[in-house]
Amino acid sequence: EIVLTQSPGTLSLSPGDRATLSCRASQSVPSDWLAWYQHKPGQAPRLLIYDASSRATGIPDRFTGSGSGTDFTLTISRLEPEDFAVYYCQQYGGSMPGTFGRGTKVDIK
Amino acid sequence: QLQLLESGPGLVKPSETLSLTCTVSNGSMSSSSYYWAWIRQPPGKVLEWIGSIYYTGSANYNPSLKSRVTISVDTSNNQFSLKLSSVTAADTAVYYCARPLGQQLYWYFDSWGRGTLVTVSS
Repeated sequence: EIVLTQSPGTLSLSPGDRATLSCRASQSVPSDWLAWYQHKPGQAPRLLIYDASSRATGIPDRFTGSGSGTDFTLTISRLEPEDFAVYYCQQYGGSMPGTFGRGTKVDIK
Repeated sequence: QLQLLESGPGLVKPSETLSLTCTVSNGSMSSSSYYWAWIRQPPGKVLEWIGSIYYTGSANYNPSLKSRVTISVDTSNNQFSLKLSSVTAADTAVYYCARPLGQQLYWYFDSWGRGTLVTVSS
């Protein structure tokens, strides 16, 4: 099973800042099949990125996914007030089932 | 925009069966070739895929839960359901329904419900 380690656990930033979130896999993720989700309390999780760098429908271009192999990054270029949330990565290229990371919380500094 | 809504008891006794239903709106399950999934997150733990079902009724389950899980689909009512038998406190979690995309068994999830907390306690 591929284990995903997300860092940092918490990122304290201000609106307008750049956020860089890391997701590291215990082994190479086949086909770079990695997704990122945003989750706010009481709301449904929202798909942001799939296939490591493809933006989901309706996702603003301030969200960028990058990386390959074992190291992946989600960058939010300029934080908007609505971007403060928990972000999860998920790999779906390894043996079933796909696995999730523990999440990075982006909160207001 | 597709919407999913989980429903069911919030409290289940140990050794009993957990039953949840997901109602899909703004989209017809019977007219689209999609899978449908259940995912859970125990308190303080990682999200875990439970299983997925095709609109035809063919299902895949997480091997770690396979012996206790049944997922069924009712396309006429735009619903799919989860049954988890012989529950213990370890099954306490927020349960989500979601729509998987991608190749079979290699899924990411593009639509989710808000989740429902199920507590296993006597």
